Amino acid sequence: QQPVQSPQAVILREGEDAVINCSSSKALYSVHWYRQKHGEAPVFLMILLKGGEQKGHEKISASFNEKKQQSSLYLTASQLSYSGTYFCGTVKAAGNKLTFGGGTRVLVKP
Amino acid sequence: GAVVSQHPSRVICKSGTSVKIECRSLDFQATTMFWYRQFPKQSLMLMATSNEGSKATYEQGVEKDKFLINHASLTLSTLTVTSAHPEDSSFYICSASKPGTGNYEQYFGPGTRLTVT
Repeated sequence: QQPVQSPQAVILREGEDAVINCSSSKALYSVHWYRQKHGEAPVFLMILLKGGEQKGHEKISASFNEKKQQSSLYLTASQLSYSGTYFCGTVKAAGNKLTFGGGTRVLVKP
Repeated sequence: GAVVSQHPSRVICKSGTSVKIECRSLDFQATTMFWYRQFPKQSLMLMATSNEGSKATYEQGVEKDKFLINHASLTLSTLTVTSAHPEDSSFYICSASKPGTGNYEQYFGPGTRLTVT
């Protein structure tokens, strides 16, 4: 079952912050975040395993609330290079396949 | 690093012909490779999971006789779209997972844009 991402799209000015949410109706083992530029393959950002950990990649960080089955991706002081579509991928159990959310299109303007 | 390549990057073929897409892990051996299809402005949809030396596992609704997957070695998986039709036009992306990480991290190839005329 596909996780639900929100919002579907967000427009930011350079330097502004944004939050992208990823929710699942099923218990999760891990959440993966990817960014995809137009016409290119997704690029791995980070994985969060159950346990409520938080991770960071440049000024992009994420949290995973196992009880709520929800992960949030935080874009802090956004840069033009952050533009793209962000996908969360969820794994229900170790060794299982990734199921991707519908994506969130992010546009950072100067 | 973990580099995955795909070939070709773009292909245009006529309806009824077959097209083969290669996916290679360049600097690691991939126990498992995955094939995804992505339509414009949509998410990645898993088509099949490919394990070296064994038959691929196809997702529900994916025709295994139409999308033939061969995972001949730990660094190469191929997807053949047989008797292609215009509705098969899409962006096909493979990914590979490193041994010892379960399927935790998947590294994606650059994708192959297939256009069937």
